[in-house]
Amino acid sequence: GAVVSQHPSWVICKSGTSVKIECRSLDFQATTMFWYRQFPKQSLMLMATSNEGSKATYEQGVEKDKFLINHASLTLSTLTVTSAHPEDSSFYICSATSGSSSYNEQFFGPGTRLTVL
Amino acid sequence: GQSLEQPSEVTAVEGAIVQINCTYQTSGFYGLSWYQQHDGGAPTFLSYNALDGLEETGRFSSFLSRSDSYGYLLLQELQMKDSASYFCAVRAKHDYKLSFGAGTTVTVRA
Repeated sequence: GAVVSQHPSWVICKSGTSVKIECRSLDFQATTMFWYRQFPKQSLMLMATSNEGSKATYEQGVEKDKFLINHASLTLSTLTVTSAHPEDSSFYICSATSGSSSYNEQFFGPGTRLTVL
Repeated sequence: GQSLEQPSEVTAVEGAIVQINCTYQTSGFYGLSWYQQHDGGAPTFLSYNALDGLEETGRFSSFLSRSDSYGYLLLQELQMKDSASYFCAVRAKHDYKLSFGAGTTVTVRA
């Protein structure tokens, strides 16, 4: 149980275009979903936290108008990278928690590798 | 904010034991987690400590000392498949956010 999927697994786009990444919890309802960005050989950096039906909370330094997050249901959150530029190329990972375990374990998706040309 | 320190690299041979230390500074503390990540893959949960002491899960064990703001992950009977990055992560607040350390790359050699 506790499977999180992401789509697409990789995407290549031209500079200036927008890219949407989906994150789905397949077998549980996710009260909270998180979006991370990871550059090669670096740690996971939290970008934002989203709760179903409410606006996402962005970490300091993350542009909310550039990284649009929608958490429309308890099983789906989307991250849209608007007007992507080469410096946005990274590994984007989502995670979800159901809030049902004693320690609210985060279950991670397989990640989406974005390359902006 | 939160800060975590862990070694950047560890190399060991198959069958050996490796200990990855993690020290943290945080304004609050709800628990310390450990995640494994293979190259190009997603982080997978290994263990969680909210209270002092040792938690054992098969070949992997995790320890926490809240008074020392310190924990470690112990990998025993190392196997080649254990070659990966290992991250400690602290949960500082009642929300579910995690702050991750920079990661320790473990390389297992034959």
